[in-house]
Amino acid sequence: EAGVTQSPTHLIKTRGQQATLRCSPISGHTSVYWYQQALGLGLQFLLWYDEGEERNRGNFPPRFSGRQFPNYSSELNVNALELEDSALYLCASSLGVQETQYFGPGTRLLVL
Amino acid sequence: AQSVTQLDSQVPVFEEAPVELRCNYSSSVSVYLFWYVQYPNQGLQLLLKYLSGSTLVKGINGFEAEFNKSQTSFHLRKPSVHISDTAEYFCAVTEDGNKLVFGAGTILRVKS
Repeated sequence: EAGVTQSPTHLIKTRGQQATLRCSPISGHTSVYWYQQALGLGLQFLLWYDEGEERNRGNFPPRFSGRQFPNYSSELNVNALELEDSALYLCASSLGVQETQYFGPGTRLLVL
Repeated sequence: AQSVTQLDSQVPVFEEAPVELRCNYSSSVSVYLFWYVQYPNQGLQLLLKYLSGSTLVKGINGFEAEFNKSQTSFHLRKPSVHISDTAEYFCAVTEDGNKLVFGAGTILRVKS
């Protein structure tokens, strides 16, 4: 069974640009989570989607947004990129609410 | 608010020696607890989890952890480590079963 997949693996952008990161959950999983792993800040919860709806978001500005599609895949959009947005963005999926989260390999975003 | 403290940023240990990685959490309610491992340039892999029931939890790769409610701890142990166990280990807690709060991570360095 395929695990959580993320694309692209690496992304290089410049300040002010927009970045779009994609995540495909494990087959049958309906919940998708996004986390940011930035140097010196550790792993921080960003967003949670379940059944197409945003259920919770972490302490991040509104320029971090996303959506979940009918096939349960998800996009994370980061607008007006700043240097400090450089990080590894991890996506996780779970069977549903309050189920164990399984992580993908991540997208490494570098903002120059 | 929930929080997780991993007391050691790095733990060096010789191959075949036992190891304990410490994790303490802060929460006013019942929690679910997890240990994840991250190998270089990869995502997170679930090692083990505590949801309820027996306080001694066994995971993959010979790891186990013990939930101690009175000490609010969830320390990870392995009786004999291998070079391949060299990685970063993250303890995580969730109160609602959805938003994971991670510790800062412990780098385990296994030496031959």
